[in-house]
Amino acid sequence: QKEVEQNSGPLSVPEGAIASLNCTYSDRVSQSFFWYRQYSGKSPELIMSIYSNGDKEDGRFTAQLNKASQYVSLLIRDSQPSDSATYLCAVEPNFGNEKLTFGTGTRLTIIP
Amino acid sequence: DAMVIQNPRYQVTQFGKPVTLSCSQTLNHNVMYWYQQKSSQAPKLLFHYYDKDFNNEADTPDNFQSRRPNTSFCFLDIRSPGLGDAAMYLCATSKGQGVYEQYFGPGTRLTVT
Repeated sequence: QKEVEQNSGPLSVPEGAIASLNCTYSDRVSQSFFWYRQYSGKSPELIMSIYSNGDKEDGRFTAQLNKASQYVSLLIRDSQPSDSATYLCAVEPNFGNEKLTFGTGTRLTIIP
Repeated sequence: DAMVIQNPRYQVTQFGKPVTLSCSQTLNHNVMYWYQQKSSQAPKLLFHYYDKDFNNEADTPDNFQSRRPNTSFCFLDIRSPGLGDAAMYLCATSKGQGVYEQYFGPGTRLTVT
């Protein structure tokens, strides 16, 4: 079983709609969760961190965490063509060794 | 602006010819990481340093070595690059001490001919 799972996509969303990206993780004791955006040929860019159950909002982005169900999601409101990228979910497995486990990413395409 | 810098951005090397990639950071972070990323795959951790303490991943080939001469700099040495080592190499840093956000440099695209 993969430690961090994401649907690889591609996920196509019309411009202006809400894009919903999901991630599940296997280690129940994980405490820290991150979303990275990666444009084609570029490096990952941290866009959201979440540590507690519930929602965390930052501009058009909302991260949602449900530790009981072991999933974390990212909502992008008012999607723009510039949001077209691969979104990587990363989880800190609480081993105290400063490492993150990354999913393989979901490729998002915003259709104008 | 505080940042993570990688040089070169693009590197072409010949099969078997040693190559060194460099990373520097102005964030004064304790932890520095080297990842390998191939197309459509997750970044794969090769090793990381917490201060001067080196941590190698079990499946990192011996062909890959690293040096961290000081807090700001870290190097990735590929002793005998093979065609399978062509990839994007990413350097990242984190503060450590229970703070896990990692910040990536722009990456070095390695081509092996």
